[in-house]
Amino acid sequence: KNQVEQSPQSLIILEGKNCTLQCNYTVSPFSNLRWYKQDTGRGPVSLTIMTFSENTKSNGRYTATLDADTKQSSLHITASQLSDSASYICVVSDRGSTLGRLYFGRGTQLTVWP
Amino acid sequence: EADIYQTPRYLVIGTGKKITLECSQTMGHDKMYWYQQDPGMELHLIHYSYGVNSTEKGDLSSESTVSRIRTEHFPLTLESARPSHTSQYLCASSENGRGGRVGNEQFFGPGTRLTVL
Repeated sequence: KNQVEQSPQSLIILEGKNCTLQCNYTVSPFSNLRWYKQDTGRGPVSLTIMTFSENTKSNGRYTATLDADTKQSSLHITASQLSDSASYICVVSDRGSTLGRLYFGRGTQLTVWP
Repeated sequence: EADIYQTPRYLVIGTGKKITLECSQTMGHDKMYWYQQDPGMELHLIHYSYGVNSTEKGDLSSESTVSRIRTEHFPLTLESARPSHTSQYLCASSENGRGGRVGNEQFFGPGTRLTVL
């Protein structure tokens, strides 16, 4: 069973609009949570990272939130651009292994229309 | 832009052929990883390495093998490709250090899209 669940599976918005993507996880013990952006045919690129004690982290038009109590995170994209069209993947790292094992969500496929 | 490279980017090959997917990184990272990703699905770890001469199998069973003779190079080999091997293969690397640390970000290559006919 996947320990990281994302919603919605896909989303279409108009250019300039805002959107929020959701991530729920059950990974324990929790270390950190990253949001990655994966363009079609490319590898994922990290957008934000949050540890247990952080509630909000921003990177330009991307703002991530984390509620470690409810094990939920969101990624808010402001004033969307066509280049935001991509898959956004929530990735949770556990604290229990020397490998720093990552648990991946299936991603939310975002399409921004002009 | 991460300094991690994969070749080829796309490969279409017939059943039974032997293939090697190349992955190289110039960041001096000790840890390297191979993931398999199907469309709309999550990444699955198939191999990883802590450093030179270290290779381990990941969470997802794979018929592929890997080697780590040099720090910067982590090739993946399929001795006899089958249609079930059709997928995207992503290579990644990270700095050495205790697992779970904030700084232990994995940097991904662009991926190899493999199609076996």
